Amino acid sequence: DAGVIQSPRHEVTEMGQEVTLRCKPISGHDYLFWYRQTMMRGLELLIYFNNNVPIDDSGMPEDRFSAKMPNASFSTLKIQPSEPRDSAVYFCASRYSGQPQHFGDGTRLSIL
Amino acid sequence: EDQVTQSPEALRLQEGESSSLNCSYTVSGLRGLFWYRQDPGKGPEFLFTLYSAGEEKEKERLKATLTKKESFLHITAPKPEDSATYLCAVQPYSGGGADGLTFGKGTHLIIQP
Repeated sequence: DAGVIQSPRHEVTEMGQEVTLRCKPISGHDYLFWYRQTMMRGLELLIYFNNNVPIDDSGMPEDRFSAKMPNASFSTLKIQPSEPRDSAVYFCASRYSGQPQHFGDGTRLSIL
Repeated sequence: EDQVTQSPEALRLQEGESSSLNCSYTVSGLRGLFWYRQDPGKGPEFLFTLYSAGEEKEKERLKATLTKKESFLHITAPKPEDSATYLCAVQPYSGGGADGLTFGKGTHLIIQP
C-alpha cells in the first residue's frame, strides 16, 4: 500500500508569498495530522482532523496558517503571508482509529 | 501541559556496544507511549506502542520498556544501520487534542563500524 504522500518535497519562496502544502493520507485512515519540525522546538502538532472535520487547531501558530480537508483523500496546509520564521519541515500523518500514526516524508519549506 | 524529555541528545556507540535511550514524560493520563525512528530526510517511522507500566515490546535489536514516569529503548549489539534519530511521544487520555502526540526532541544515535 502507498504511504502518506506529501507535495512538494521542497519549497523555497520569498517572504510574503502564499504557500500551500498538500497531503494524501493512507486510504481508509480516518485521522489526519499536520506537524511542524524545527531544530529548536522539535516536532509539534499543528492541527488534526477526524473524518474530514477539524478537531483541534490549538497548535496553529497564528491566523496566517489555515488547513482544510475537503475529502477523505486530500488535505492542505496554507500559509499566507509567509515569513522567514515559518521555515521548517512540515509533516502530515494519518491513522486509523486505535492504530499508530504513519508519517509522510515531509515538505522542507524555506522562506527567504 | 504534557511534556516529554529525551536523553541523551546524542549518542555515539561502537558496533556491538549495547546501550539505552531514556524518555521521561509528564502527562495527565497516559493513553499510549510511542517510539519512532527517523532517518535523515524522512518522516518518523513507527516502532512501538506501550500502554501500561511494566509492558515491554521487542523488535530485532530493540526493546522498549515502560514505567509510570519513563520509558527506555534498549539497543542490543547495534549495527551501523541502527543509526538514526529515535523519537518518543505520548498520547494523553483526555482533553482537547487527545488524539495528537506530544514528541520529545529525540536522541541522535550513531553506530560506528
